[in-house]
Amino acid sequence: GAGVSQSPRYKVAKRGQDVALRCDPISGHVSLFWYQQALGQGPEFLTYFQNEAQLDKSGLPSDRFFAERPEGSVSTLKIQRTQQEDSAVYLCASSPLDFGRGGEQFFGPGTRLTVL
Amino acid sequence: RKEVEQDPGPFNVPEGATVAFNCTYSNSASQSFFWYRQDCRKEPKLLMSVYSSGNEDGRFTAQLNRASQYISLLIRDSKLSDSATYLCVVNMRGYNKLIFGAGTRLAVHP
Repeated sequence: GAGVSQSPRYKVAKRGQDVALRCDPISGHVSLFWYQQALGQGPEFLTYFQNEAQLDKSGLPSDRFFAERPEGSVSTLKIQRTQQEDSAVYLCASSPLDFGRGGEQFFGPGTRLTVL
Repeated sequence: RKEVEQDPGPFNVPEGATVAFNCTYSNSASQSFFWYRQDCRKEPKLLMSVYSSGNEDGRFTAQLNRASQYISLLIRDSKLSDSATYLCVVNMRGYNKLIFGAGTRLAVHP
């Protein structure tokens, strides 16, 4: 079956531009996560949705980062006024389980963002 | 101090070798433990969950020591296809987010 998909796969932005990254989770998955992975590091948590509710945004590095999942399926991560330190791979993951139950997360291929 | 620490490697081993990776975690509230595998420029994928009693999946054996807050992964009879980065991952009680180590890189050569 279809896995998690993300678009675009690659994005080059000039410093100061706004970008929007899209995630299509596995159909029916309740939980959706965004992670940021810098070169040579493990993924770091950004934010978590249970259906359309954003239950945890403690990992968002600044108020330039904003995420939404208005209908409980597709999610968008928006970064305003991009900075060079935002360059990273942005991974989306989904899980059929709800809050607090942990378990396997299924990752998309990521969007590689390069800010010049 | 990072919440999950791993030796970054790289571990360079010949085919057929046995290799072990270790990981420590700092938060005693951690309740679920995993090893994920990440190939170069690909997404992480679950390799195996780690249970207190230890568990095995073919050539892979995972161990958890809650008292020492220590997790291990043993790979026997290494294959070329095992070359990847192995991510140690924990999940805390009451939270769904995963906390990743920086990964240990394994290179298996002929």
